[in-house]
Amino acid sequence: QQQVKQSPQSLIVQKGGISIINCAYENTAFDYFPWYQQFPGKGPALLIAIRPDVSEKKEGRFTISFNKSAKQFSLHIMDSQPGDSATYFCAANRGNTGKLIFGQGTTLQVKP
Amino acid sequence: NAGVTQTPKFQVLKTGQSMTLQCAQDMNHEYMSWYRQDPGMGLRLIHYSVGAGITDQGEVPNGYNVSRSTTEDFPLRLLSAAPSQTSVYFCASSYTASSVAETQYFGPGTRLLVL
Repeated sequence: QQQVKQSPQSLIVQKGGISIINCAYENTAFDYFPWYQQFPGKGPALLIAIRPDVSEKKEGRFTISFNKSAKQFSLHIMDSQPGDSATYFCAANRGNTGKLIFGQGTTLQVKP
Repeated sequence: NAGVTQTPKFQVLKTGQSMTLQCAQDMNHEYMSWYRQDPGMGLRLIHYSVGAGITDQGEVPNGYNVSRSTTEDFPLRLLSAAPSQTSVYFCASSYTASSVAETQYFGPGTRLLVL
């Protein structure tokens, strides 16, 4: 049972465009939602994270939007650049357990 | 700081062989964990440790063993390798279990192929 569902599986965006990746979760006990960026051959790296008491968080060109009632959250990459081409994972965390549940991942390709 | 280091980078095993994947961190993190990454599955938690001498199971623990004798090291043992264990394995660490979502650092990964 996939507790965090991520879409799309892959995404192609033109340089300068907006990349949008969506995630949905089932467990209302989740209380922290990080996004990770992974380049080929590397480990994932924390990109940005949000708590459910906040509807939006922005860091540079990266924005998380959170809809608690719909149990959905999304990553928006503004002015997408070829250097943003990577795999992105959403995740959810419950309390102090340390157990992250990851989405399936989205491979983003930004064309020059 | 070297961060989180993993060895080996790549390993080929035959079915039934055993091996240990090494993981070390030099950030004095209490919490360490092992994930496996498979296409279309994201990352799945295998085992984790909240401190030296304390380990627990994650989502997919079967076929794997861990121990944590020091704060720095968290090896993952494959007891009898199976082709289903072909995957990329990542070790990660954070200051505490409660800070995982904010400050978790991943190692570079070990690619394992089981024939």
